[in-house]
Amino acid sequence: QKEVEQDPGPLSVPEGAIVSLNCTYSNSAFQYFMWYRQYSRKGPELLMYTYSSGNKEDGRFTAQVDKSSKYISLFIRDSQPSDSATYLCAMSALGGSEKLVFGKGTKLTVNP
Amino acid sequence: GAVVSQHPSRVICKSGTSVKIECRSLDFQATTMFWYRQFPKQSLMLMATSNEGSKATYEQGVEKDKFLINHASLTLSTLTVTSAHPEDSSFYICSASEGAYEQYFGPGTRLTVT
Repeated sequence: QKEVEQDPGPLSVPEGAIVSLNCTYSNSAFQYFMWYRQYSRKGPELLMYTYSSGNKEDGRFTAQVDKSSKYISLFIRDSQPSDSATYLCAMSALGGSEKLVFGKGTKLTVNP
Repeated sequence: GAVVSQHPSRVICKSGTSVKIECRSLDFQATTMFWYRQFPKQSLMLMATSNEGSKATYEQGVEKDKFLINHASLTLSTLTVTSAHPEDSSFYICSASEGAYEQYFGPGTRLTVT
């Protein structure tokens, strides 16, 4: 079993849809959870950074962490064509100072 | 968010030559920097972790003599691909962290070895 599992998709939705992206993990030492967005041929851009279980909201994005189930989610409301990208979940035990364990990434396409 | 830059964004070199890629944290002090490579349609593969003033820690299977990493200051790390070959062609991305907080990525450098 891989440390982090993420469905690679691809996922295609119409503009305005609510998108749900998920990752599961097996290492209970993970305490820090991140979501990155990566456009083609660009470096990953940090979207959300969470530490505790629960929800964190930033604009149209909501990150959800359930440590008891070892499950994290990213929700995108009112999705836009500009949200089309690959979304990577990442996590670590000690935060940004140690190497992150990434999911494989989910390729999202939002159709106008 | 914090800004990490990379230079060059794209480089083409001949087989057997060396290439240096710079990674800079522009508005924070990066105590730790990471170097990744990414092949098309694949996730990031960590190559090495470097702390300012210390030798880099390489991941298993990464040749330390081929991929030289220097983290000379809190805002600059360099990756030198020595005696590059076509199989080294890839997208190289650095990231930087100020401590136990977020890790920010640079825009990447596309290396093509002919």
